[in-house]
Amino acid sequence: GAGVSQSPSNKVTEKGKDVELRCDPISGHTALYWYRQSLGQGLEFLIYFQGNSAPDKSGLPSDRFSAERTGGSVSTLTIQRTQQEDSAVYLCASSLTGVNTGELFFGEGSRLTVL
Amino acid sequence: AQSVAQPEDQVNVAEGNPLTVKCTYSVSGNPYLFWYVQYPNRGLQFLLKYITGDNLVKGSYGFEAEFNKSQTSFHLKKPSALVSDSALYFCAVRDSSNTGKLIFGQGTTLQVKP
Repeated sequence: GAGVSQSPSNKVTEKGKDVELRCDPISGHTALYWYRQSLGQGLEFLIYFQGNSAPDKSGLPSDRFSAERTGGSVSTLTIQRTQQEDSAVYLCASSLTGVNTGELFFGEGSRLTVL
Repeated sequence: AQSVAQPEDQVNVAEGNPLTVKCTYSVSGNPYLFWYVQYPNRGLQFLLKYITGDNLVKGSYGFEAEFNKSQTSFHLKKPSALVSDSALYFCAVRDSSNTGKLIFGQGTTLQVKP
């Protein structure tokens, strides 16, 4: 597609349930990033993919969070046993490569609400 | 570690007046600096970046930013604000880990009043 696509745009879930958030990056972009934006806070880096591998997972807040990327394209962020503090907007971004100085292109985000 | 600071939570200006949104950075090595804008319920849109060269960088929607190495600043500016410029603005610095990831400031809300 023309831009980064994320789904669902909104997700409401109950505490303790698992959720999956999907990101479809710009075609040909090998680098993919997940960020979290909580109310009143900036953007918190979660994980970086180069192709299908994740050389930087340093931002994942706990082992309830995991992500994968397949075919060098679509990525899924999974949150297990969701907690209320997981409520946030999850933003995905892609760029042509991870080693150049190009900008990141962001999707519109998935808003997660944990009741 | 790389970091950026946006000292103002909110900036208020009148339409037609010049605007400045402040950003300072802390990096080891050469800074690669970015500005993004976020409209309500939208993702981030790239405005401009400084990699090297001219200290005054021009970007989208009439915005520009001035890189000042001695003051470690990268303030965003526009000569004449529009009501439609009202949004959340983020300054970011590229991380030194060669992953391309950006480290963002906390954001500044710009309110332009008619």
